[in-house]
Amino acid sequence: GENVEQHPSTLSVQEGDSAVIKCTYSDSASNYFPWYKQELGKGPQLIIDIRSNVGEKKDQRIAVTLNKTAKHFSLHITETQPEDSAVYFCAASTQGGSEKLVFGKGTKLTVNP
Amino acid sequence: DVKVTQSSRYLVKRTGEKVFLECVQDMDHENMFWYRQDPGLGLRLIYFSYDVKMKEKGDIPEGYSVSREKKERFSLILESASTNQTSMYLCAGTGDNYGYTFGSGTRLTVV
Repeated sequence: GENVEQHPSTLSVQEGDSAVIKCTYSDSASNYFPWYKQELGKGPQLIIDIRSNVGEKKDQRIAVTLNKTAKHFSLHITETQPEDSAVYFCAASTQGGSEKLVFGKGTKLTVNP
Repeated sequence: DVKVTQSSRYLVKRTGEKVFLECVQDMDHENMFWYRQDPGLGLRLIYFSYDVKMKEKGDIPEGYSVSREKKERFSLILESASTNQTSMYLCAGTGDNYGYTFGSGTRLTVV
């Protein structure tokens, strides 16, 4: 079955710097790659996703890139702010996102003021 | 806005008790999931359901069962709670062409 590896497990940056979180997946049939942000005491929330027919997607300060050949995808956050501090999870699905997702183990991002 | 509601934020139960965790979604979609979240292990799938009265085992179903009698409600059952089931439990729902919506989670402690 699918296996998703996520790195790093913790990341500390200064406010205003960029942060990059990387994930690799094993199943070449995977076609949907979402990213979730989990703040303390809350459930994960979808922040951005990308499908396999697209190489990059942006939403304000957040972008995701996908390299299907290498089977990896990355989350990029620019101009980080303290409110970006959270745990981020990547995930992959072979079924378009409406069905089972396999998650990475998470990255704890800390943005220092 | 779609909503997934978990009935309890915190629960403390004794070893051997039967525990019910309830989840309700208002999306009128079929797909619902139960995950547990543990430090360093991420989110692991326990059970999922794609339709009423339908259930499928996820990656770690041992010690758990589920019930889906109505489309909007998906219950996770710990038949005989054990201390190694102390965890954060997350319910999620999804439908066509959009990602999961998670509930706020239930932090279960088994003593």
